Amino acid sequence: GAVVSQHPSRVICKSGTSVKIECRSLDFQATTMFWYRQFPKQSLMLMATSNEGSKATYEQGVEKDKFLINHASLTLSTLTVTSAHPEDSSFYICSAKTGDLLPDSNQPQHFGDGTRLSIL
Amino acid sequence: AQKITQTQPGMFVQEKEAVTLDCTYDTSDQSYGLFWYKQPSSGEMIFLIYQGSYDEQNATEGRYSLNFQKARKSANLVISASQLGDSAMYFCAMREGLWPGRRALTFGSGTRLQVQP
Repeated sequence: GAVVSQHPSRVICKSGTSVKIECRSLDFQATTMFWYRQFPKQSLMLMATSNEGSKATYEQGVEKDKFLINHASLTLSTLTVTSAHPEDSSFYICSAKTGDLLPDSNQPQHFGDGTRLSIL
Repeated sequence: AQKITQTQPGMFVQEKEAVTLDCTYDTSDQSYGLFWYKQPSSGEMIFLIYQGSYDEQNATEGRYSLNFQKARKSANLVISASQLGDSAMYFCAMREGLWPGRRALTFGSGTRLQVQP
């Protein structure tokens, strides 16, 4: 079964509204979660690393004021797309890794099912 | 420079045949991990197989095997006995470094595999 739950799976909203996407780790604690963005027929691009109890780390070119990340607890990270515009339409997907306080090993990152965001 | 390169945008394979999806990587770290994920049209990312930089044997998981050639920095995915359900996008990814265990994955551009009956 899914170890990372992402909600909602699909959002359609008007330009100018803000959209919140939730990412939950199920049955494990994740001090770090990752947010990726994927345009149609393209690869996943890391947007930011969400750290529990501290500020998120954003990748170059990602507007932190546009994409607000809150890692509220050890099992929940949220991404809020503020004042969304059509160019923000994309597939957003989060991931978390079990045992993230241990040295990296063969633990894969588990991904949520993604959120397809469409801004009209 | 691209850290993960997948040179095959699309591949076709006949059902029941084997197919190899290419992946080369670039890193200066001695410790790294290589992953393959499958993404069906529905969008979810499905973990397939992992290879660690210190693993001497090629990883295998059921019909999936990873042809790891460290000197060439390649980590090709081999799918044996292809099934129609294997039709999907396949991504090669890398996580550099060993510590701390909080690093994100870097993905290649992907290969779209279509299995033909």
